[in-house]
Amino acid sequence: QSALTQPASVSGSPGQSITVSCTGTSSDIGGYDYVSWYQQHPGKAPKLLIYDVSNRPSGVSNRFSGSKSANTASLTISGLQAEDEANYYCSSYRTGNTVLFGGGTKLTVL
Amino acid sequence: EVHLVQSGAEVKKPGESLKISCQGSGYSFTSHWIGWVRQMPGKGLEWMGNIYPGDSDTRYSPSFQGQVTISADKSINTAYLQWSSLKASDTGIYYCARSVRCCGVTKWFDPWGQGTLVTVTS
Repeated sequence: QSALTQPASVSGSPGQSITVSCTGTSSDIGGYDYVSWYQQHPGKAPKLLIYDVSNRPSGVSNRFSGSKSANTASLTISGLQAEDEANYYCSSYRTGNTVLFGGGTKLTVL
Repeated sequence: EVHLVQSGAEVKKPGESLKISCQGSGYSFTSHWIGWVRQMPGKGLEWMGNIYPGDSDTRYSPSFQGQVTISADKSINTAYLQWSSLKASDTGIYYCARSVRCCGVTKWFDPWGQGTLVTVTS
């Protein structure tokens, strides 16, 4: 099963906005609104940031937002803060009762 | 508050068997799916499979079908991941997570356990 495609790294300065892309196919991202995003700090467990493409769980900052266009989903972080430095993973349901994750994107806050 | 607490780190030899656990609390354990996710050293996340503790309905990723067994004991709110014969390539961190499913589809994972580090070395 091929993973969803994410950039290996992105960076931004405090206060700026960045976007992480996640590209799949019509059998996963393009075919369903079941994209989720996770934040993982080094040595920690992943944490849910976004579900169903653009919904935030209670307690997640509104600086995090999600969207989708065709086969590509995006996570935008606005007003970058030092604490946002982490790895970010996208995930999507794929036809055939499978769940895919992206390869992960390392965010560096300059 | 919903919590998933996993068993501690393991060091095993190739060919040995292993069963790690994930105990849920703060919610109805039998009414929510539990998923298992692997993270190999320095790598990304891989979905291994899900189980519904209420009736032990289990789904596996094609990549892990036949390689591991997922089970649950609803009497003690615990899910398990087990190997019958470990390989060095099984080294990694294994996370359990409450898995939200709807309409036959796994949608997202929340919350996650703290992870169990499994090291397989001769």
